[in-house]
Amino acid sequence: AQRVTQPEKLLSVFKGAPVELKCNYSYSGSPELFWYVQYSRQRLQLLLRHISRESIKGFTADLNKGETSFHLKKPFAQEEDSAMYYCALSGGSSGSARQLTFGSGTQLTVLP
Amino acid sequence: EPEVTQTPSHQVTQMGQEVILRCVPISNHLYFYWYRQILGQKVEFLVSFYNNEISEKSEIFDDQFSVERPDGSNFTLKIRSTKLEDSAMYFCASSRGLAPLQETQYFGPGTRLLVL
Repeated sequence: AQRVTQPEKLLSVFKGAPVELKCNYSYSGSPELFWYVQYSRQRLQLLLRHISRESIKGFTADLNKGETSFHLKKPFAQEEDSAMYYCALSGGSSGSARQLTFGSGTQLTVLP
Repeated sequence: EPEVTQTPSHQVTQMGQEVILRCVPISNHLYFYWYRQILGQKVEFLVSFYNNEISEKSEIFDDQFSVERPDGSNFTLKIRSTKLEDSAMYFCASSRGLAPLQETQYFGPGTRLLVL
């Protein structure tokens, strides 16, 4: 079974401070991990995926298979980063359309 | 930029009634999905669909649920006889392929279903 855990429901930081949103996963195969973000009154949208090893809006996330983690980090938070962040894992039968398993989400608030 | 669209944005229905939620995936995408999120809970996978058939489904997706691609653009989720516990936000998603970098799922804005 696959599982994604985001231990923090709420996280508040001040503008300019570093931020780390934690994500741990459980999956027996080789996982593909994603971070999705949902800004107020907007749809879920992809922020980044581990396979791309990219940085989007200053956010990065490194897959640590030893610790089964995929924490999202940003060195200097901005007020516009305030949103709900979901960690998600893609898995399923090989060759089939693969379901995403989501964590429960972390509501990030960046204070002025 | 193309987006997944969903209609209606809100639906209120009586318990036992049938509802159909509609989605228009991104036009060159081949894989389609439904998820739901009960208020205060996680986003949960319901079903995936490819090549006009169900690819995977979760335990939630029982006989009361069905999906269809009635034409070249729409993808629908039907709940035959709604229950109170079906009240949730329902998200449609689509992806272009399965290969890395093609499998990113793009989500619609959701349909909020309220069963009274």
